[in-house]
Amino acid sequence: SQTIHQWPATLVQPVGSPLSLECTVEGTSNPNLYWYRQAAGRGLQLLFYSVGIGQISSEVPQNLSASRPQDRQFILSSKKLLLSDSGFYLCAWSGQTEQFFGPGTRLTVL
Amino acid sequence: AQSVTQLGSHVSVSEGALVLLRCNYSSSVPPYLFWYVQYPNQGLQLLLKYTTGATLVKGINGFEAEFKKSETSFHLTKPSAHMSDAAEYFCAVSGPGTYKYIFGTGTRLKVLA
Repeated sequence: SQTIHQWPATLVQPVGSPLSLECTVEGTSNPNLYWYRQAAGRGLQLLFYSVGIGQISSEVPQNLSASRPQDRQFILSSKKLLLSDSGFYLCAWSGQTEQFFGPGTRLTVL
Repeated sequence: AQSVTQLGSHVSVSEGALVLLRCNYSSSVPPYLFWYVQYPNQGLQLLLKYTTGATLVKGINGFEAEFKKSETSFHLTKPSAHMSDAAEYFCAVSGPGTYKYIFGTGTRLKVLA
């Protein structure tokens, strides 16, 4: 069966510091991969999606970036965090129809 | 283009009462429709999906939803609410050949004892 991992589970970072969140998928090959952000009390905002290694589509211009160095690995990065980057970050993968979500990373920028 | 509207950001029901969460969509292609549930500080879990075929779909935890093309709706129901159903519910739309999933803003369900 397929499994999706995200780490870390929680993170507290100062403004201006770098960020790296990692997502890995097991049990499937060539998945479509996604990064979403949930701000407090709000819905899901699609940040990036990838349909293959090295292929990244950005949905919202901002100080975040994404990379897909391997088929089942998706990384979300920032060089300098802003206060507005705080939120709950969710990684997801999709196959034929539905999406499956990871457990999420709670990021607090102070 | 696709969009999803969830009516009611907060819904309260008594334990044992009917749960009805509303979702309307728009889609320029035959839609794939989904309901997800999210518990605090967790990821989203798929409750049920409609792609093709039978318009009444059954999911986990006793939930079901009916695809009504004429009404562009995909409402989620459960005959009898349980305290453990308290969570946030998201409706989403996608379609064949599309990579994106469009989510509604969510409905927080509260179950009263």
